[in-house]
Amino acid sequence: AQKVTQAQTEISVVEKEDVTLDCVYETRDTTYYLFWYKQPPSGELVFLIRRNSFDEQNEISGRYSWNFQKSTSSFNFTITASQVVDSAVYFCALYGGSQGNLIFGKGTKLSVKP
Amino acid sequence: GAGVSQSPSNKVTEKGKDVELRCDPISGHTALYWYRQSLGQGLEFLIYFQGNSAPDKSGLPSDRFSAERTGGSVSTLTIQRTQQEDSAVYLCASSSRRPEFGSYNSPLHFGNGTRLTVT
Repeated sequence: AQKVTQAQTEISVVEKEDVTLDCVYETRDTTYYLFWYKQPPSGELVFLIRRNSFDEQNEISGRYSWNFQKSTSSFNFTITASQVVDSAVYFCALYGGSQGNLIFGKGTKLSVKP
Repeated sequence: GAGVSQSPSNKVTEKGKDVELRCDPISGHTALYWYRQSLGQGLEFLIYFQGNSAPDKSGLPSDRFSAERTGGSVSTLTIQRTQQEDSAVYLCASSSRRPEFGSYNSPLHFGNGTRLTVT
């Protein structure tokens, strides 16, 4: 069975703090893909990143960085110097080749206060 | 259009009535997904289309739920005899291809959803 766990339901930080959103996944597939999506208050889901299981290289995009560790089945997301506009619900998701759908975690609501 | 379009954006219906939710995917996208997001919950997978066929209907919660896709484009999600627990945001997403081994290079593009309220 495939599963995505985002243990942090809500996180509140003050602007300019760094924050890490945790994501732990379960899959029996050897080839799989991990994703992060952002859902701002407007409701639209915005794609942030995709990572395949063969590429454990960490990625940085501006203030965003992702740490993929197969040994712990984790794909954590860090926002550096958070801003109020980062306030949103963030979803981690998993696609495994044996299934046709993208499995989402329950999301982490991030509130960044000025 | 430029993005995935869903209509209506909001729907209020009485318990027991049928509703139809529409999704217009990005032009040329062959894969189409329906998800449901209840208040404070994650995204629950409902059904997936590749072209007009639905290889994975495993997420449909009951036989009151059905979906179809015609012409490889527009999809309709139908909920019959709505119940209050059906109240949620129904999200549609499309992708240029089904994620395949080693060839997935297109993320899902989501619409803004239809907020369904069953009273």
